[in-house]
Amino acid sequence: DAGVIQSPRHEVTEMGQEVTLRCKPISGHDYLFWYRQTMMRGLELLIYFNNNVPIDDSGMPEDRFSAKMPNASFSTLKIQPSEPRDSAVYFCASSLKGARGYTFGSGTRLTVV
Amino acid sequence: GNSVTQMEGPVTLSEEAFLTINCTYTATGYPSLFWYVQYPGEGLQLLLKATKADDKGSNKGFEATYRKETTSFHLEKGSVQVSDSAVYFCAGAGNTPLVFGKGTRLSVIA
Repeated sequence: DAGVIQSPRHEVTEMGQEVTLRCKPISGHDYLFWYRQTMMRGLELLIYFNNNVPIDDSGMPEDRFSAKMPNASFSTLKIQPSEPRDSAVYFCASSLKGARGYTFGSGTRLTVV
Repeated sequence: GNSVTQMEGPVTLSEEAFLTINCTYTATGYPSLFWYVQYPGEGLQLLLKATKADDKGSNKGFEATYRKETTSFHLEKGSVQVSDSAVYFCAGAGNTPLVFGKGTRLSVIA
């Protein structure tokens, strides 16, 4: 298995632009998580899905952030419009049956200038 | 709510020194506990885990024992190597998603 695949690895965009981050979970995993990592705040859970259904999006910072999971093998995290304070590393993780041993992707390093 | 508190870093050790990184978890009930490691430029990797009290997780020379009384899960290694330099995260979960500590950066000097 190739693991959790995220794209792009790096993204540099101008303030106000739309950014879309992509994630392909491990086949057969039924949970998918989006995390954001910054030096100041550490790892923050943004949203998670179970069987493609969003379960808890209380960690999404504001309405500029949205996430979808149209099928079991693909999820997106969109920021529109982007702001410099959104600069961070965004991780996707998947697991089987929730809280047991998440597998993380390599992350997308987002820089908003 | 649930929370994880781990020792703040950075921690700098000489090669072959003994390592301890403290971690405690506050939750309702007894959650599963995990240690993850993050090498530079990479995502988090599961290092070891324990799912119930008195369990010991071990991997790559690292160990951690789930202490029920204090809900602690301290990470230890008897002899660290330069290749162990990374950020270590303690995490815990009951019926909710994993809650992570803030991470402890370890630097091992030859």
